[in-house]
Amino acid sequence: AQKVTQAQTEISVVEKEDVTLDCVYETRDTTYYLFWYKQPPSGELVFLIRRNSFDEQNEISGRYSWNFQKSTSSFNFTITASQVVDSAVYFCALSEDNYGQNFVFGPGTRLSVLP
Amino acid sequence: NAGVTQTPKFQVLKTGQSMTLQCAQDMNHEYMSWYRQDPGMGLRLIHYSVGAGITDQGEVPNGYNVSRSTTEDFPLRLLSAAPSQTSVYFCASSYRTTGPYGYTFGSGTRLTVV
Repeated sequence: AQKVTQAQTEISVVEKEDVTLDCVYETRDTTYYLFWYKQPPSGELVFLIRRNSFDEQNEISGRYSWNFQKSTSSFNFTITASQVVDSAVYFCALSEDNYGQNFVFGPGTRLSVLP
Repeated sequence: NAGVTQTPKFQVLKTGQSMTLQCAQDMNHEYMSWYRQDPGMGLRLIHYSVGAGITDQGEVPNGYNVSRSTTEDFPLRLLSAAPSQTSVYFCASSYRTTGPYGYTFGSGTRLTVV
């Protein structure tokens, strides 16, 4: 069965610090998709990234970067030079198929960036 | 472009009442789904649909009913509300292949059952 673990329930950092959010997943499939979503205090869910299991290249988007390591089943998310606007709950998710019937979310990590 | 629209945004129900949460998308997405979000548990899949006329159960379907008569609409019905159904409900949609942007989520419906 697939599972997503986000061991960090809450993280607090001071503005401009770097912070890494951990995501560990379990799946028996060789083809799968990993996602990160952001949920700011306003409550909506914002797509951040999708990664295919056959693409292990790390990705950088501005202050955001993602480290995908199949060997450790991890898909960690780093925010560089954090800002107050980064305060949110971040969800890691796993899907084993294109339809998303088995789309499983982790419990989320609440990030607080203090001024 | 409205994306995924959920109504209502807030609702209070009494135990035993029934109601329908509405979800509509204007992106011609084949796939639609309903999730509930509870503290510390992430989002859990209730029901999903891969196209008009096709629905299936997710992880936590009990107490909920869905139908998909059109591509655009995917309502979620609570048959007899219970306090355990107090949650935030999200509707989501995506292209058949989940596209480059994964799901598009609605803004959520906060439901309280008293």
